[in-house]
Amino acid sequence: GAGVSQTPSNKVTEKGKYVELRCDPISGHTALYWYRQSLGQGPEFLIYFQGTGAADDSGLPNDRFFAVRPEGSVSTLKIQRTERGDSAVYLCASSRSIDTEAFFGQGTRLTVV
Amino acid sequence: AQSVTQLDSQVPVFEEAPVELRCNYSSSVSVYLFWYVQYPNQGLQLLLKYLSGSTLVKGINGFEAEFNKSQTSFHLRKPSVHISDTAEYFCAVSDASGGYQKVTFGTGTKLQVIP
Repeated sequence: GAGVSQTPSNKVTEKGKYVELRCDPISGHTALYWYRQSLGQGPEFLIYFQGTGAADDSGLPNDRFFAVRPEGSVSTLKIQRTERGDSAVYLCASSRSIDTEAFFGQGTRLTVV
Repeated sequence: AQSVTQLDSQVPVFEEAPVELRCNYSSSVSVYLFWYVQYPNQGLQLLLKYLSGSTLVKGINGFEAEFNKSQTSFHLRKPSVHISDTAEYFCAVSDASGGYQKVTFGTGTKLQVIP
């Protein structure tokens, strides 16, 4: 596709459930980033991948959050035992390399009820 | 670690008037600076960036920003705004040695252009 694609666009889940959020980066982009944007805040860094490996996961808030990128393309952000405080827009971005512009997807709005 | 302060959460301005959105940053290392725009129901889009060189940076849609190292500022300006500029604007900073990999964003400024 032409841009970064994130699915689903909206997800409502019950507290305690497991969710997966998917990101399809721009073809050929080796770097992939996840950010979280809570209401009224700017995006907050979670993790970034260079190829298949997580190069920096220092932004993941706790061990309920995990992300993978097994083939160096699509990435999945996984959240276990969701809490109401996890409600936010989760943004994915990709870039050709870490030295080039990152392009953002439209995000997945996660609501935990 | 870096931080970004956008003091104005909302800025109303009349169409065709000039606007300045303020941004101050804090960092102990050399930085890259960015302005992103987020239109309603759309993803973040890069407006402009400062990596090195000239401190006056020109971006898309007629916006420009000036890097002031002594004042640790990177204010965004446009001489004449249009209705279509109504959006939320985010200032952001990253460690210059790390490129785009770990960007710290401010809390955003909502620009409301009044007809």
